[in-house]
Amino acid sequence: DAGVIQSPRHEVTEMGQEVTLRCKPISGHNSLFWYRQTMMRGLELLIYFNNNVPIDDSGMPEDRFSAKMPNASFSTLKIQPSEPRDSAVYFCATRGGTDTQYFGPGTRLTVL
Amino acid sequence: EDQVTQSPEALRLQEGESSSLNCSYTVSGLRGLFWYRQDPGKGPEFLFTLYSAGEEKEKERLKATLTKKESFLHITAPKPEDSATYLCAVCTTSGTYKYIFGTGTRLKVLA
Repeated sequence: DAGVIQSPRHEVTEMGQEVTLRCKPISGHNSLFWYRQTMMRGLELLIYFNNNVPIDDSGMPEDRFSAKMPNASFSTLKIQPSEPRDSAVYFCATRGGTDTQYFGPGTRLTVL
Repeated sequence: EDQVTQSPEALRLQEGESSSLNCSYTVSGLRGLFWYRQDPGKGPEFLFTLYSAGEEKEKERLKATLTKKESFLHITAPKPEDSATYLCAVCTTSGTYKYIFGTGTRLKVLA
């Protein structure tokens, strides 16, 4: 199993630009989570999908952030427009038949 | 309010010097407690899941235990390759699946 796949691994962009982060879950996992990790705040849950449906997006910081899961094999997290304070590592995690989440390698985002 | 607190924030050990990391939690209902290891530049790697007080899990030099208020990650005779950040998380039973992470313990094992 390839595990959770995220792309790109690194993204550097300028303030105001649109950023799209991508995640491919582990095959057969029906829950997908997007997290943001910073030194100050640690890991924060942004949004959670179950069977491709958004269940809890209370962690999405503001309307500039949006997430979609068009099918069981793909999810995106979009930031538009991006701001320097969005700089962080963004992780995708998935869960199958147990309560355990499995994390991807993350996308390190730098907004200049 | 549901909360997870890890201590210490950082820990330096000599190789072979056993110690324990603490994760205390306050949640309305515990569905499970998880330990992860995170190396620099990588995603958290799953170690253990604990579900009920008294439960213990072991893997190589690591042993995780759970009480009604806290969990310990015991590291026996650590090696330099055990150096990493160890994260604790809880899944609560309130409403939808809700995972709360602690801020981690940065462990450095010196040769």
